[in-house]
Amino acid sequence: SQTIHQWPATLVQPVGSPLSLECTVEGTSNPNLYWYRQAAGRGLQLLFYSVGIGQISSEVPQNLSASRPQDRQFILSSKKLLLSDSGFYLCAWSVGQGGNSPLHFGNGTRLTVT
Amino acid sequence: GQQVMQIPQYQHVQEGEDFTTYCNSSTTLSNIQWYKQRPGGHPVFLIQLVKSGEVKKQKRLTFQFGEAKKNSSLHITATQTTDVGTYFCAGLGGSYIPTFGRGTSLIVHP
Repeated sequence: SQTIHQWPATLVQPVGSPLSLECTVEGTSNPNLYWYRQAAGRGLQLLFYSVGIGQISSEVPQNLSASRPQDRQFILSSKKLLLSDSGFYLCAWSVGQGGNSPLHFGNGTRLTVT
Repeated sequence: GQQVMQIPQYQHVQEGEDFTTYCNSSTTLSNIQWYKQRPGGHPVFLIQLVKSGEVKKQKRLTFQFGEAKKNSSLHITATQTTDVGTYFCAGLGGSYIPTFGRGTSLIVHP
């Protein structure tokens, strides 16, 4: 069966420090991968999505970046965190094209920038 | 771009009362998905609706897709404390990435 791993679960980082969040998927090949951010009590904001290795699409301008070095690995990074980067970061995967398959989310990383 | 509006933002109910959340899109949708996020947890897929006028049931949950495929609803009959959480709809329009509504947080008072 397919599983998704996301770590760390919680993270407290000072303003200006770098960030690296990692997400890996097991049990499926060539998944679509997504990074979402959820501010406290708010909805899901799509940050990045990827349909294949090295293929990254950005949905909103920000100081974050994403990379997909391997088929089932998706990394969210920042060189210098801002206070506004605090939030709940969720990685998700789906299969196929056309958006007809559901998204499967990881457990999320709760990031607090201080 | 495509927008998916979801109301209400919050809903308080007494245990045993019914609950409904509504989702409206600015454009015609190919499909609509529903997710539930428990407090402190991550969204979990509940169901997908594809056909115009489609109705699906999961125990006490009833999902509907409008005839024009621009709106949807989730109705819970006789809520229980285990129903607490935020319910999101996600509509698929012109792109192959679903657009999420802002969610409805359900609070059930025992």
